[in-house]
Amino acid sequence: NAGVTQTPKFQVLKTGQSMTLQCAQDMNHNSMYWYRQDPGMGLRLIYYSASEGTTDKGEVPNGYNVSRLNKREFSLRLESAAPSQTSVYFCASGRARADYGYTFGSGTRLTVV
Amino acid sequence: AQSVTQPDIHITVSEGASLELRCNYSYGATPYLFWYVQSPGQGLQLLLKYFSGDTLVQGIKGFEAEFKRSQSSFNLRKPSVHWSDAAEYFCAVGAGLSGYSTLTFGKGTMLLVSP
Repeated sequence: NAGVTQTPKFQVLKTGQSMTLQCAQDMNHNSMYWYRQDPGMGLRLIYYSASEGTTDKGEVPNGYNVSRLNKREFSLRLESAAPSQTSVYFCASGRARADYGYTFGSGTRLTVV
Repeated sequence: AQSVTQPDIHITVSEGASLELRCNYSYGATPYLFWYVQSPGQGLQLLLKYFSGDTLVQGIKGFEAEFKRSQSSFNLRKPSVHWSDAAEYFCAVGAGLSGYSTLTFGKGTMLLVSP
């Protein structure tokens, strides 16, 4: 089925460890996004990529890096995980403008201990 | 910058009763407006969207929303709630005709459905 695929679905890290969250879409969308979801905070934008070859910071970029590997793939890296990064991470993709909305992946639940 | 306020953190509705979830946005021009639904442990699913034309928009699962520019609101409604509607609902806003923008989400409203 067409959509947005995130891996892994669950992950536990120790403080200071690094990891990369993977995201791939097969809808030929230009734009891709990483959000984090925390209780009572809604979804907050970490980074986005308006098109292949570009990335920009969102509302909460500190502690994260991203790579737009190609049009399909957009990864999120935590270089040195902290307990404050315990969250559910969602990848989304969309067209160049926001008028059609986004398609979301099913999320990665990350716990940093 | 755009912003979204969902005033109700939780709402409980009896099955079969009508539902209205409130959303107020802040944006200087014509916005793009969306409602998403999230079932437990799942990603977000688009319910409906508004970006021009008729201010009453229909979505999936029997939901509708009305854009009221004078009140900066985009409230979600359903005439008769089913137990399967229990979920968290997010309103989102994007910039309109000013070119590229990202979506800004509200903090969500959790809908509980009682028997």
